[in-house]
Amino acid sequence: AQTVTQSQPEMSVQEAETVTLSCTYDTSENNYYLFWYKQPPSRQMILVIRQEAYKQQNATENRFSVNFQKAAKSFSLKISDSQLGDTAMYFCATIAHSGNKLVFGAGTILRVKS
Amino acid sequence: SQTIHQWPATLVQPVGSPLSLECTVEGTSNPNLYWYRQAAGRGLQLLFYSVGIGQISSEVPQNLSASRPQDRQFILSSKKLLLSDSGFYLCAWTFGRHNEQFFGPGTRLTVL
Repeated sequence: AQTVTQSQPEMSVQEAETVTLSCTYDTSENNYYLFWYKQPPSRQMILVIRQEAYKQQNATENRFSVNFQKAAKSFSLKISDSQLGDTAMYFCATIAHSGNKLVFGAGTILRVKS
Repeated sequence: SQTIHQWPATLVQPVGSPLSLECTVEGTSNPNLYWYRQAAGRGLQLLFYSVGIGQISSEVPQNLSASRPQDRQFILSSKKLLLSDSGFYLCAWTFGRHNEQFFGPGTRLTVL
């Protein structure tokens, strides 16, 4: 079975600064994917970034990047130049390559302050 | 491009009344479809998923049911709502080979 742990229930950051959200996971799968989703106050779930476990290179999407440490089963999200619109709940998730079900963490509420 | 629709956006129902939430996907065929429930400020709980027409897998035993009468249509139902059924219901579908899920806008259900 897969599990995802987000140990930070809430975080805050000043506008334009950098923040890192933590995520650890456990899986017995060899091939899997990792994701970060963002849920703003509108509650629409938005895919932020995807990492394929067999790729060593960390994924990057504009101001969002990950630090993927496969041996440590860690998948943190770094948000650079934080913007007010980044205020949201962030969920880490994983799924096996051949799986049907995403496993989500409990989420981290991020507040960007002006 | 692919889009996913959910309706209604908001629903207020009395205890004991029936429920029908609908989710439809456009622009793809044979997607995997999912129903999640989310309590306020909490994570997502997978309720049902479907890999094809008429194929439903239930994750949590409760008074809800799901059906997939057409390839791109997924329906969440209840014969008699409970107070504990209140929450935010999200439909999602799987796109492409990376198993990433894309979510609909959600339905906010309040049972009084």
